[in-house]
Amino acid sequence: DGGITQSPKYLFRKEGQNVTLSCEQNLNHDAMYWYRQDPGQGLRLIYYSQIVNDFQKGDIAEGYSVSREKKESFPLTVTSAQKNPTAFYLCASSIPSGYSPLHFGNGTRLTVT
Amino acid sequence: SQQGEEDPQALSIQEGENATMNCSYKTSINNLQWYRQNSGRGLVHLILIRSNEREKHSGRLRVTLDTSKKSSSLLITASRAADTASYFCATDASGGSNYKLTFGKGTLLTVNP
Repeated sequence: DGGITQSPKYLFRKEGQNVTLSCEQNLNHDAMYWYRQDPGQGLRLIYYSQIVNDFQKGDIAEGYSVSREKKESFPLTVTSAQKNPTAFYLCASSIPSGYSPLHFGNGTRLTVT
Repeated sequence: SQQGEEDPQALSIQEGENATMNCSYKTSINNLQWYRQNSGRGLVHLILIRSNEREKHSGRLRVTLDTSKKSSSLLITASRAADTASYFCATDASGGSNYKLTFGKGTLLTVNP
């Protein structure tokens, strides 16, 4: 079955440590996205990539970094510079067309103490 | 920035009743999409309506779009307990190949058996 896999489901880190969230898709989609969701809030776009080796900042990119070396993979690193990293992180993919739905993974809940 | 705002923030109804959720947005759009999110999970695409469409149906879902008022509504008919979830509208206001969606804060729907 095609889909998006995010791992791990739960992640705990100490303040000051960088942490990398994994996102893999086998849908053959060119575009991939990272969103952050806080309790009672909508999704806010962190980074997105329309094609391999290219990505753009979203609305809240500060304190995050990404890479897109392979079509299937779009890992997100939450750096120690991110002031409020505890959140639910969602990865998505799509055909990079203006009328394409996003396919989401089941998220990673990151807790930083 | 969050383009779409859903209303109400929360809605509680009895099984068999209809549920209506509204979404307002600020700028011109190419299309508007509705997604559903079960607690602790990723989002699932429900329906997409293009800016030149006024109404669309999919099973028990009916979506309307009024571009003059910059608003959309999602109607779920004959609701079931399994419809309990958060519902988000998302707008595509991007140009060219720079495809990305902006999500609202969502409506939490509770359907009581």
